[in-house]
Amino acid sequence: YVLTQPPSVSVAPGQTARITCGGDNIGSKRVHWYQQKPGQAPVLVVYADRDRPSGIPERFSGFNSGNTATLTISRVEAGDEADYYCQVWDSNTDLWVFGGGTTLTVL
Amino acid sequence: QVQLQESGPGLVKPSETLSLTCTVSGGSIDNYYWSWIRQPPGKGLEWIGNIYYSGSTTYNPSLKSRVTISIDTSKNHFSLKLTSVNAADTAVYYCARMPSYSPYTNNWFDPWGQGTLVSVYS
Repeated sequence: YVLTQPPSVSVAPGQTARITCGGDNIGSKRVHWYQQKPGQAPVLVVYADRDRPSGIPERFSGFNSGNTATLTISRVEAGDEADYYCQVWDSNTDLWVFGGGTTLTVL
Repeated sequence: QVQLQESGPGLVKPSETLSLTCTVSGGSIDNYYWSWIRQPPGKGLEWIGNIYYSGSTTYNPSLKSRVTISIDTSKNHFSLKLTSVNAADTAVYYCARMPSYSPYTNNWFDPWGQGTLVSVYS
């Protein structure tokens, strides 16, 4: 099962960033999103399509439908610069799968 | 809050066995799934396998023949062994916790350890 993410997304501070994760009928799966800053471990920012762990700002939100899941970051800040990965479980292969990652650049 | 810390050799020779341990502090290892995930330098994330606190395991099919994950609840740690390593196994290895909500296949990895770089070279 392949999860397709754009390699990069750029946005100005204060604007909205949208990072997509494409997969065959991904809307039928539960999608989770991770933020990874350089030299650090990934951090969960959205789980089960749209829920936020405690401590994650409300600026981070998720949506999943059809063949695309989207992570939306509102009012982007310089500190949001990072790689973002989507993740699902694939029933056909019994495999936890990650997307290739998207680098968010704040201009 | 729970914290995870990987430990083990940073260098392994080709054809030998990579062995890592993840120590869990600030919480019990019981009633959760525990995972290993790796990331080759400059590349994306690859799931290696999970273990439930009871000892049941699930492995990535592409690594299954070489991977063993075990758990020691008395020491609050779990371990990874990867046999017959080669250069493609060079990566940062992370351990992580997975909740046990049903169905567990819908679950996520949180938190993660800081990761440990393992290089395979002669």
